[in-house]
Amino acid sequence: AQSVTQLGSHVSVSEGALVLLRCNYSSSVPPYLFWYVQYPNQGLQLLLKYTSAATLVKGINGFEAEFKKSETSFHLTKPSAHMSDAAEYFCAVNTGNQFYFGTGTSLTVIP
Amino acid sequence: ETGVTQSPTHLIKTRGQQVTLRCSSQSGHNTVSWYQQALGQGPQFIFQYYREEENGRGNFPPRFSGLQFPNYSSELNVNALELDDSALYLCASSSPLAGVNTEAFFGQGTRLTVV
Repeated sequence: AQSVTQLGSHVSVSEGALVLLRCNYSSSVPPYLFWYVQYPNQGLQLLLKYTSAATLVKGINGFEAEFKKSETSFHLTKPSAHMSDAAEYFCAVNTGNQFYFGTGTSLTVIP
Repeated sequence: ETGVTQSPTHLIKTRGQQVTLRCSSQSGHNTVSWYQQALGQGPQFIFQYYREEENGRGNFPPRFSGLQFPNYSSELNVNALELDDSALYLCASSSPLAGVNTEAFFGQGTRLTVV
């Protein structure tokens, strides 16, 4: 079964510091990977998606992710954290009729 | 273009009762999926509806059922509620050309509490 693993359920960074949220996938073929963000008491919002056109994917709010097949990873990064980035982040893989989500990483931004 | 809307936003039910949650899909989307998100967990796939037919189901018991209407809105019904059914229920819609590289658009969710 296709699945994703998010390493680190909680990540804290200082405002202005690099954000790195980790996601590894398991699959025998290149999966279709997504990052979603969830703000408190809200639904999920798409940050970015990998579509095989490019290994470095740029998303909204300054986030980007790099697909590395050799490492089966799709880590999410942002060069400089803002207070507004504090949220829950989910990596997911789409199998066609359903998304499999990781357990999520809660990002705290320290002023 | 309207987004995915869900109602109600919050709901409290008693164990053993039945509940119906509603979802209006984004304009032009004919595929609706439902997810259960327990506290501190990622969303878990319940089922998907495409053109009023169930098109895939996750590992949920039959007391979780759904409907999709001709206007592509959808309902999630849960019978014989259990305490563990307490969760955020998310509805997601996707475009008619949905494939593995197509994102789903999520509603804000319905927070169900079973007491």
